[in-house]
Amino acid sequence: EAEVAQSPRYKITEKSQAVAFWCDPISGHATLYWYRQILGQGPELLVQFQDESVVDDSQLPKDRFSAERLKGVDSTLKIQPAELGDSAMYLCASSPRGPVLTFGAGSRLTVL
Amino acid sequence: SQKIEQNSEALNIQEGKTATLTCNYTNYSPAYLQWYRQDPGRGPVFLLLIRENEKEKRKERLKVTFDTTLKQSLFHITASQPADSATYLCALDHGSGNTGKLIFGQGTTLQVKP
Repeated sequence: EAEVAQSPRYKITEKSQAVAFWCDPISGHATLYWYRQILGQGPELLVQFQDESVVDDSQLPKDRFSAERLKGVDSTLKIQPAELGDSAMYLCASSPRGPVLTFGAGSRLTVL
Repeated sequence: SQKIEQNSEALNIQEGKTATLTCNYTNYSPAYLQWYRQDPGRGPVFLLLIRENEKEKRKERLKVTFDTTLKQSLFHITASQPADSATYLCALDHGSGNTGKLIFGQGTTLQVKP
């Protein structure tokens, strides 16, 4: 069964450092999403791509977060500099079209 | 403001019983509502989608209802098993025409005891 691949699964960093997460969606899925999930809360959308174009990044803290999907396939989410409040699970999801999302296993970030 | 509420308290039930989880929303007019299952340390997994013109949907032991007048969805698991223990998330489309933008509730944790 096709999966959304994410790496790293776990990342511990110190505040003010840079961190990057990678996502490879299911082949053929044009839409890719990055969500952030704080422990005990539901996922919150950070950015949505349709192919290589950003559809929605209204909730992305652009002073420190950036996301790209250069060739419309895999994607990278970067945080620089990391802050204590960025500790969370970063989830990547993809969909061919329509509303059902397939999520990856997530990248757990701890900022010390 | 827009809000989705799920019972934040964990739901503990005995194996074999029916679990019922609630999702309430305000200030949305979603075209559809979805339920996802999330196990600890893993990403959510899609379970069911119900559209605004559907009252009920079933899949094996799962049943979802959608009442757009009450602005509420109920999620039922019949003949529950310990393997059903997980956090269940409801999600609505944002209603802005972007069908991929989902807004999630905070989730309800279900614990099924043998």
